[in-house]
Amino acid sequence: LAKTTQPISMDSYEGQEVNITCSHNNIATNDYITWYQQFPSQGPRFIIQGYKTKVTNEVASLFIPADRKSSTLSLPRVSLSDTAVYYCLVGEGTGFQKLVFGTGTRLLVSP
Amino acid sequence: GAVVSQHPSWVICKSGTSVKIECRSLDFQATTMFWYRQFPKQSLMLMATSNEGSKATYEQGVEKDKFLINHASLTLSTLTVTSAHPEDSSFYICSARAGQLPFASNYGYTFGSGTRLTVV
Repeated sequence: LAKTTQPISMDSYEGQEVNITCSHNNIATNDYITWYQQFPSQGPRFIIQGYKTKVTNEVASLFIPADRKSSTLSLPRVSLSDTAVYYCLVGEGTGFQKLVFGTGTRLLVSP
Repeated sequence: GAVVSQHPSWVICKSGTSVKIECRSLDFQATTMFWYRQFPKQSLMLMATSNEGSKATYEQGVEKDKFLINHASLTLSTLTVTSAHPEDSSFYICSARAGQLPFASNYGYTFGSGTRLTVV
C-alpha cells in the first residue's frame, strides 16, 4: 500500500474554502485515492474517491494531477461542523484489501 | 445503503474479564471485515482482517489469543477482548465493504460507529 503524507493540522474560519493536500509518491497504476472524515468517538466516514483529474460530489471535490503523486481535497465554505480529522488513503481499486490509515489532518474551523 | 452497525457503543469492564464487540453489516453481505483500534489523538491502527468462515488474519504485534475474532456469517463479525486489562482501553472500530461492489463505488469502505472500551 502506498504511503501517504498529510499536514498534521490546519486551521480555518467559517465560510472559507479549505484545501488539504496529500502526497503519495509511490502510488501504483491500479491505486485509487480515497478520503475519509472522522469526528471524535465516531468511525470514519467516506467523503470522496477518485483515480485521476477531478471528482466532485455534494460535499467535496478531489483534485488529482496527471502524475497522481498527490491529491487535494477541497471543502467549499466550511462550517464549524467540518471540524474533524481527514484521512487520505491510497489503495488498489479492486479486491478486499485492508485500509491502512496514516496520521490524518486535524482541521479546526473557527467562527 | 452500506450500513455497518457496531454494538455496544461503549462498555466498562473489570480487569480480567472478557468483552465481546459485535459488528454487523445491515444491508449487504460482507465476506471480509476489518477491526481497528484507536487511542486518543492517534490514527486508526489495523488489528486484523476477519474472513467469513475462516480464521482471521492478524497484523504484526496483535495478540490473536487476546483479541478473538469470529466471522460466523456474512453479516456478523465479533471481536472478543479476553482477560482485559487497563491498557486495552481504547476505541475499537470495525469496517466492511459492500460485498460485490467495486472499490470505486460511492461507499468505499463503511465503518461502524465504534466501541469505547474502558477497563477498570
